[in-house]
Amino acid sequence: DAMVIQNPRYQVTQFGKPVTLSCSQTLNHNVMYWYQQKSSQAPKLLFHYYDKDFNNEADTPDNFQSRRPNTSFCFLDIRSPGLGDAAMYLCATSRDPAPNEKLFFGSGTQLSVL
Amino acid sequence: AQSVTQLDSQVPVFEEAPVELRCNYSSSVSVYLFWYVQYPNQGLQLLLKYLSGSTLVKGINGFEAEFNKSQTSFHLRKPSVHISDTAEYFCAVSGSGNTGKLIFGQGTTLQVKP
Repeated sequence: DAMVIQNPRYQVTQFGKPVTLSCSQTLNHNVMYWYQQKSSQAPKLLFHYYDKDFNNEADTPDNFQSRRPNTSFCFLDIRSPGLGDAAMYLCATSRDPAPNEKLFFGSGTQLSVL
Repeated sequence: AQSVTQLDSQVPVFEEAPVELRCNYSSSVSVYLFWYVQYPNQGLQLLLKYLSGSTLVKGINGFEAEFNKSQTSFHLRKPSVHISDTAEYFCAVSGSGNTGKLIFGQGTTLQVKP
């Protein structure tokens, strides 16, 4: 089945140690999103790629970066994770960036920071 | 700017009983409204969406929602729930001017008891 795949399901890192989360998609969608979801809070959009164009949300910390080397893959890099960055990170895709588009989500990566 | 409020963090209900999950939104522009469901250890998936037209929207798994512009609400209903409906439900809004940017509510946990 075409889908959005996130690896790993659980990631543990140390305070200040760079970490990369990955997302791949077989839907051939143009847009890929990264959401951060802290415990008992709403998912919050960090940034998205529309094809190769990167769109950062105004309140996304500089500590968070993203790469999209090709249509299928997108990475979330956290340069110096702090304890407050522990969260579920959700990757999603859509065919195009129109506000009425359906988003397809991966299962998420639960990040723990020790 | 848009915002979403889900009024109940947890809704316990017995199997075969009806359920309503409440969602209110605020926006200064026309909106698109969505309900997503997240089953345990899975990604979010779209239940239904309101774009325009009929205010009563039917989705998957027997769920429906009604858009009420005057009350700025988009409550989700199901006449008879099953154990398998136990999940986290997210209401979301995107504005006509935003590039696919979904604003999520904090989620409501539906707990269906036998």
